[in-house]
Amino acid sequence: GAVVSQHPSRVICKSGTSVKIECRSLDFQATTMFWYRQFPKQSLMLMATSNEGSKATYEQGVEKDKFLINHASLTLSTLTVTSAHPEDSSFYICSARDRSRASGYTFGSGTRLTVV
Amino acid sequence: AQTVTQSQPEMSVQEAETVTLSCTYDTSESDYYLFWYKQPPSRQMILVIRQEAYKQQNATENRFSVNFQKAAKSFSLKISDSQLGDAAMYFCAYRSAGNQFYFGTGTSLTVIP
Repeated sequence: GAVVSQHPSRVICKSGTSVKIECRSLDFQATTMFWYRQFPKQSLMLMATSNEGSKATYEQGVEKDKFLINHASLTLSTLTVTSAHPEDSSFYICSARDRSRASGYTFGSGTRLTVV
Repeated sequence: AQTVTQSQPEMSVQEAETVTLSCTYDTSESDYYLFWYKQPPSRQMILVIRQEAYKQQNATENRFSVNFQKAAKSFSLKISDSQLGDAAMYFCAYRSAGNQFYFGTGTSLTVIP
């Protein structure tokens, strides 16, 4: 079945530094990937839609300059949290769309970001 | 914007019994998809069941079935013969025509042995 690999699974960084999270579709091509943020015991909030070869579409309230998304190939999208602050600490999840499968969407296993 | 509401933050069920999780949504679109996802402690999102809005027949996947009421914008999940492994957070999700997902706030399901 479709597999989405998300790396790293956990990362701790210092305030003011940047962190890059990778989302890879391992056995299918994903023209569209999605990035979500999940606070403890809360729902997933869509941050942005990442389209291969074009600019990401951000949801209202999400800072484009803070959460940089790059989707340079059909199997890789990256989310870079720039100048991270403790309030950016959260669980980030990506998902990718596999057009060849009926269920279509597969989620990565998530990244726990802690900013100290 | 689409909204998804899950009014039950927590539910519990006795093992082997049946439980129903509620979900309502609000949309002006006519063509969309609805999903139930399970998120165990590992945090991995696992697809449980999906429903196309244009289909009147309720989706079924083994012990999982839905009651889709399009006019009422209701999409409940029924879990029959509950098993200990069913314990998890369950999220109802709406997929828009633009392929974006909107999730409910989740229902934490406890299965009592």
